[in-house]
Amino acid sequence: QKEVEQNSGPLSVPEGAIASLNCTYSDRGSQSFFWYRQYSGKSPELIMSIYSNGDKEDGRFTAQLNKASQYVSLLIRDSQPSDSATYLCAVYSGAGSYQLTFGKGTKLSVIP
Amino acid sequence: NAGVTQTPKFQVLKTGQSMTLQCAQDMNHNSMYWYRQDPGMGLRLIYYSASEGTTDKGEVPNGYNVSRLNKREFSLRLESAAPSQTSVYFCASSEIYNEQFFGPGTRLTVL
Repeated sequence: QKEVEQNSGPLSVPEGAIASLNCTYSDRGSQSFFWYRQYSGKSPELIMSIYSNGDKEDGRFTAQLNKASQYVSLLIRDSQPSDSATYLCAVYSGAGSYQLTFGKGTKLSVIP
Repeated sequence: NAGVTQTPKFQVLKTGQSMTLQCAQDMNHNSMYWYRQDPGMGLRLIYYSASEGTTDKGEVPNGYNVSRLNKREFSLRLESAAPSQTSVYFCASSEIYNEQFFGPGTRLTVL
């Protein structure tokens, strides 16, 4: 059973702070990693993808991948109240698997 | 460019009734997926279609059937709805092994 684990939260950070969201996965052969943001009552929206070890930055968002330790993280700098949402980590396993496995999500609350 | 569209947005059924959820994408993606999302359970894959003409079961296929009508359209059918199928249903599409893009969802209640 391929698993993706996230701390369910809620994670509360003050406005302007850095929010750090973490995710671990069980399948060592996993190849592709994604972060989605989901506002209450809305559908998941892709915000970051990462495929190789290291950091990937896009605006205020940085994704970090460490395949040896089997974790992927998302940093949100200068957090805004509009970042308050549930963040879903998703992982494609090895070649031949078409299934994207999602974690249950971490709820982030940015306090003004 | 509408992305992924789903109909209907809301539906209430009685136990035993049938219905079909429709999904269409205009991104020319090969792969399409149906998920359900329940509180505390996260997103769970019901069925997927890796390419036109193929369909495969996901994690929770019981009580559902699918049809990949063409490259754009992928429908989900509930033959005899049960209260346990009350959920939010999302359709998604992607190129193989790439990012999945989600539709707005269908909120289904089975009484």
